[in-house]
Amino acid sequence: DTAVSQTPKYLVTQMGNDKSIKCEQNLGHDTMYWYKQDSKKFLKIMFSYNNKELIINETVPNRFSPKSPDKAHLNLHINSLELGDSAVYFCASRATTSGTEAFFGQGTRLTVV
Amino acid sequence: GDSVTQMEGPVTLSEEAFLTINCTYTATGYPSLFWYVQYPGEGLQLLLKATKADDKGSNKGFEATYRKETTSFHLEKGSVQVSDSAVYFCALSDQYGGATNKLIFGTGTLLAVQP
Repeated sequence: DTAVSQTPKYLVTQMGNDKSIKCEQNLGHDTMYWYKQDSKKFLKIMFSYNNKELIINETVPNRFSPKSPDKAHLNLHINSLELGDSAVYFCASRATTSGTEAFFGQGTRLTVV
Repeated sequence: GDSVTQMEGPVTLSEEAFLTINCTYTATGYPSLFWYVQYPGEGLQLLLKATKADDKGSNKGFEATYRKETTSFHLEKGSVQVSDSAVYFCALSDQYGGATNKLIFGTGTLLAVQP
């Protein structure tokens, strides 16, 4: 059983389109995250949700809108895609007690053309 | 704010060579420290962790010791294999649990091991 699964794995789309990435975790964790990894492999947190409530929003453009229908799911919707949005997006989940690690999905490689 | 600094890559080694990847951190209090590994085309996997000073994390022949006095968590392996080729990330989380706790990553270090 995959602990954190995200779909799709690859996404190629044109500028201006709207797209969504889905994420699900079966670990019973109370917090989920979206990270963006750029072409130099740098990882930057975008959002975190705790029990369906938005906790962290790291100055991400409002074209990006996370949605958490329940604490096992955190989806990412992106409006009006731009070339600079091309990256790998990782979903992660974690139990937010001190010292615990995050579990990552396999990533979604988004290419905007 | 909290931050993690790790050595620039790429690091290129021959098989069976000794590996060190340096990592230092800035944080208040007593953060937890982690090393993650990312193999090509895959997500991040936890390699090892340490949650208090002087703890040593170890896994798959890799080790790192939490050094509070030097604010460091250097990754070492005595004899690398080609299959260790990957990107390695050092990370920290602050000492407080709760909803705002997050992982802060270093910039990653690419390791390439040649046969």
